[in-house]
Amino acid sequence: DSGVTQTPKHLITATGQRVTLRCSPRSGDLSVYWYQQSLDQGLQFLIHYYNGEERAKGNILERFSAQQFPDLHSELNLSSLELGDSALYFCASSTGLAGVLDTQYFGPGTRLTVL
Amino acid sequence: AQSVAQPEDQVNVAEGNPLTVKCTYSVSGNPYLFWYVQYPNRGLQFLLKYITGDNLVKGSYGFEAEFNKSQTSFHLKKPSALVSDSALYFCAVRDGRSTGGFKTIFGAGTRLFVKA
Repeated sequence: DSGVTQTPKHLITATGQRVTLRCSPRSGDLSVYWYQQSLDQGLQFLIHYYNGEERAKGNILERFSAQQFPDLHSELNLSSLELGDSALYFCASSTGLAGVLDTQYFGPGTRLTVL
Repeated sequence: AQSVAQPEDQVNVAEGNPLTVKCTYSVSGNPYLFWYVQYPNRGLQFLLKYITGDNLVKGSYGFEAEFNKSQTSFHLKKPSALVSDSALYFCAVRDGRSTGGFKTIFGAGTRLFVKA
């Protein structure tokens, strides 16, 4: 158990809908990262937050947004869902103290299925 | 742009034999290289990372990786494979940002099968 929790574990929804994925980092970790894992695209970095501020952005669609709250939990919002958004979404956290060499701890993921 | 390549989709090895999972990289600047393992229905687990200096990096579960600057490679190795090592392995490179954030770029993954 990494100490990173993600809810829900599974989510099934329809095209055009909006969903929110939640991540609670390890106790004391200030950095949160979101990743998407799909069969065709592999593992893709989406976004990095540190202590509530966005620090790096990857291949995140405009339909997707994220935020990190004062209690350090993070949410990933996916809107106008398409079939191709079906994937496993991972959250990871790290202390934020070692910069680019920080060790990331991954949550178990949320499996999103768009029908 | 930073990138990593894992040339093998799958590696098969017999239990007790040495294993190697290959990774090559392309970076501008210092390479920040990582290996992760993913077991079925689980998140990724950190195995090891390269920090400038030692070309042989030791990590978790008996794994090690050899950094070779001239060949731009960072191959994952283990002297004696276990059936429980069967999993999906990802090589990754990090691309730092001036904001203090970073982007992690993953290879496509290599599935390791260890046969008893």
